[in-house]
Amino acid sequence: QKEVEQDPGPLSVPEGAIVSLNCTYSNSAFQYFMWYRQYSRKGPELLMYTYSSGNKEDGRFTAQVDKSSKYISLFIRDSQPSDSATYLCAMTRDYKLSFGAGTTVTVRA
Amino acid sequence: DVKVTQSSRYLVKRTGEKVFLECVQDMDHENMFWYRQDPGLGLRLIYFSYDVKMKEKGDIPEGYSVSREKKERFSLILESASTNQTSMYLCASWTSRYEQYFGPGTRLTVT
Repeated sequence: QKEVEQDPGPLSVPEGAIVSLNCTYSNSAFQYFMWYRQYSRKGPELLMYTYSSGNKEDGRFTAQVDKSSKYISLFIRDSQPSDSATYLCAMTRDYKLSFGAGTTVTVRA
Repeated sequence: DVKVTQSSRYLVKRTGEKVFLECVQDMDHENMFWYRQDPGLGLRLIYFSYDVKMKEKGDIPEGYSVSREKKERFSLILESASTNQTSMYLCASWTSRYEQYFGPGTRLTVT
């Protein structure tokens, strides 16, 4: 069983829709929880990170962590075609990151 | 602005060749990482280095080695390339526990 599970999708939504992405994990030692965004033919870049359970907002993006259920989510409101990318969840313990498989999202104009 | 650069964007090599992938970062980061990315498997850690000449195995080190002679440069070596090493290779560096800066990746094809 993988430490981090993420539905690879793909996910296709119309412009303006809410995008909901999820990951589950098995190791309770994970300390930080991140979402990376990866555009085609580019390396991943950090979108958001959280440390504790709860919600964190940044513009149209909301990251949610539920440590008791070992579940994290990313919501994208008012999605735009420029949000079309692969979204990877990631978690750290010590110096190592463990990544989900990534979900490919397409926002249709 | 942190820059992580990788020596090649695309590389085609033959089975059995020795392959060098180079990564350079310009922000004086101590920690550097090599991952491979495959569809459905996400990013998997091959090796990482937390200081010059220091290295540690990641989750899938078999068939790979690394070299870190200078702080800014971290090289991944495929001793004898095989077709199952065809993949996207990503280098990253970081200073905090939650953010890694990635290079653009090298798409390696072994034929």
